Amino acid sequence: NAGVTQTPKFQVLKTGQSMTLQCAQDMNHNSMYWYRQDPGMGLRLIYYSASEGTTDKGEVPNGYNVSRLNKREFSLRLESAAPSQTSVYFCATRRDLYEQYFGPGTRLTVT
Amino acid sequence: AQKITQTQPGMFVQEKEAVTLDCTYDTSDPSYGLFWYKQPSSGEMIFLIYQGSYDQQNATEGRYSLNFQKARKSANLVISASQLGDSAMYFCAMREGRNNNDMRFGAGTRLTVKP
Repeated sequence: NAGVTQTPKFQVLKTGQSMTLQCAQDMNHNSMYWYRQDPGMGLRLIYYSASEGTTDKGEVPNGYNVSRLNKREFSLRLESAAPSQTSVYFCATRRDLYEQYFGPGTRLTVT
Repeated sequence: AQKITQTQPGMFVQEKEAVTLDCTYDTSDPSYGLFWYKQPSSGEMIFLIYQGSYDQQNATEGRYSLNFQKARKSANLVISASQLGDSAMYFCAMREGRNNNDMRFGAGTRLTVKP
């Protein structure tokens, strides 16, 4: 039972390059989330998916796209990376009204 | 507008003592949930405690308790009998009932436990 897994753990991109961050969960949760964490700040919601087949924007969606491939997987795509997207990215799932379960994070640097 | 405010960027506490981490929030929604998460230096986010806006009693989980003062809109985390392993970043967060998929986090407090 791996919980929430994210790949890759680290990534360095050049400005303008694209990449997809992968997230998978084996907890059979409906809701999945993508957050970013910048230095000195808390997490900010980028996109979320309340159920398979639906996605919605969060607080900071610009520059990102998402895909809820199936119930297990929720990917985050950067089409043209910018230095302002240097951050740590967390995927999370939610079982009920209470806890969110977070993945280990992906540290992304855009040069 | 900032929904969650943590005014203490850093706190120090002596091992075995209690410490209070402050959190104030802003919402007009009568239904909301308040959360505290711990982030050790390894980076993962660990759920600590939850308080619902309609809960009559303050939440407790082991050495963690939440001092919920609804009228003052504060949700302070109290850690009793601090341990060295409690050294970490602590984040307060809120989810409002009207959009219960949008969780807002404070900027965090870095707690250092001294031996």
